[in-house]
Amino acid sequence: KQEVTQIPAALSVPEGENLVLNCSFTDSAIYNLQWFRQDPGKGLTSLLLIQSSQREQTSGRLNASLDKSSGRSTLYIAASQPGDSATYLCAVDSGNTPLVFGKGTRLSVIA
Amino acid sequence: ETGVTQSPTHLIKTRGQQVTLRCSSQSGHNTVSWYQQALGQGPQFIFQYYREEENGRGNFPPRFSGLQFPNYSSELNVNALELDDSALYLCASSSLGQAGANVLTFGAGSRLTVL
Repeated sequence: KQEVTQIPAALSVPEGENLVLNCSFTDSAIYNLQWFRQDPGKGLTSLLLIQSSQREQTSGRLNASLDKSSGRSTLYIAASQPGDSATYLCAVDSGNTPLVFGKGTRLSVIA
Repeated sequence: ETGVTQSPTHLIKTRGQQVTLRCSSQSGHNTVSWYQQALGQGPQFIFQYYREEENGRGNFPPRFSGLQFPNYSSELNVNALELDDSALYLCASSSLGQAGANVLTFGAGSRLTVL
């Protein structure tokens, strides 16, 4: 059974810092991995999707990497801004099964 | 292209009551999945509907049921509500059988509070 863990559970940084969020998964036989953003009480916005054959994906100040063999992914946020404050969720797609989510990392960027 | 819309956005019920949540899928999508997200937790898969039939179910009791309609919209019904059913209910649509089948588009959610 796939399990997804995200560390840290919460993170507070000053504006302008670069930061890394971590995601680990127990079964490396995955199809893809997605990072989502969730604002308080809201739905999920897809940020980046990495296929199992890829090593990383970039969108603006965001870069997500995937190391399938070690069961890890990281989300790197460059030059953080107060508007980046949200919960970031990692989800694993193992093929013909529903997405399995981590509990998320709650990020606060302080101006 | 319209996204996924859910209604109602918020509702309050009491224990033992029944609730129906609604979801309109994104244009061009034929599959709807429902997730439950308790406070501070990640979303948990409830079930998926494809071609108006249940196509996979998570670890939820039978009092959680659903429907999908010919226009691909969907309902989630929960009977005999319990306090632990309080959560954000997320609907997501996708295109089963097409490229990128499991790339889900999520709605904003329905926040259910059970008193």
